Amino acid sequence: GQNIDQPTEMTATEGAIVQINCTYQTSGFNGLFWYQQHAGEAPTFLSYNVLDGLEEKGRFSSFLSRSKGYSYLLLKELQMKDSASYLCAGMDSNYQLIWGAGTKLIIKP
Amino acid sequence: EADIYQTPRYLVIGTGKKITLECSQTMGHDKMYWYQQDPGMELHLIHYSYGVNSTEKGDLSSESTVSRIRTEHFPLTLESARPSHTSQYLCASSEGAEVGEQYFGPGTRLTVT
Repeated sequence: GQNIDQPTEMTATEGAIVQINCTYQTSGFNGLFWYQQHAGEAPTFLSYNVLDGLEEKGRFSSFLSRSKGYSYLLLKELQMKDSASYLCAGMDSNYQLIWGAGTKLIIKP
Repeated sequence: EADIYQTPRYLVIGTGKKITLECSQTMGHDKMYWYQQDPGMELHLIHYSYGVNSTEKGDLSSESTVSRIRTEHFPLTLESARPSHTSQYLCASSEGAEVGEQYFGPGTRLTVT
């Protein structure tokens, strides 16, 4: 079956660094997406990885290891506005997204 | 700027009623999607479309139907609403390329009493 696993909730301190992990099992693989979703709002795109390695985009970076079925999202210099859920989604061989339940990130001052 | 709209934003309706959730996008995207999301849970794909007159069912059977008569418009209809349909409904679109980010509308929060 297809499955995406990520922690339910994480807590971090403003200004710190946090890493949100995601493991995936998909039928075929066409990339791994990360989305941010603030409470009561729609998801917004953060990153896409299809090759192994680290992709950096400002304060956010995303890493992929296809051999391990593993990805992480790294958030640096955390700000209060980063409090949100972070959704990991794998794209299968039919180009459909398989979504994780999201990791709720709580930022404390 | 991604422009995708959903109406209504909130809807409370009685059991057995027929409802249509509207979704429109102004980006000319070929692909459109409907998802259902409960609080703290993953998004479940209900229906999707790869273009005009193309519609497919997703992995979640929600007793709903969709139509795609125009590129920009992708309405979702529940023929007979039930309390189990209470959820957040998200519409999304993406470009025609096989891999592309999805842009989401603001969602419709539906409550069936």
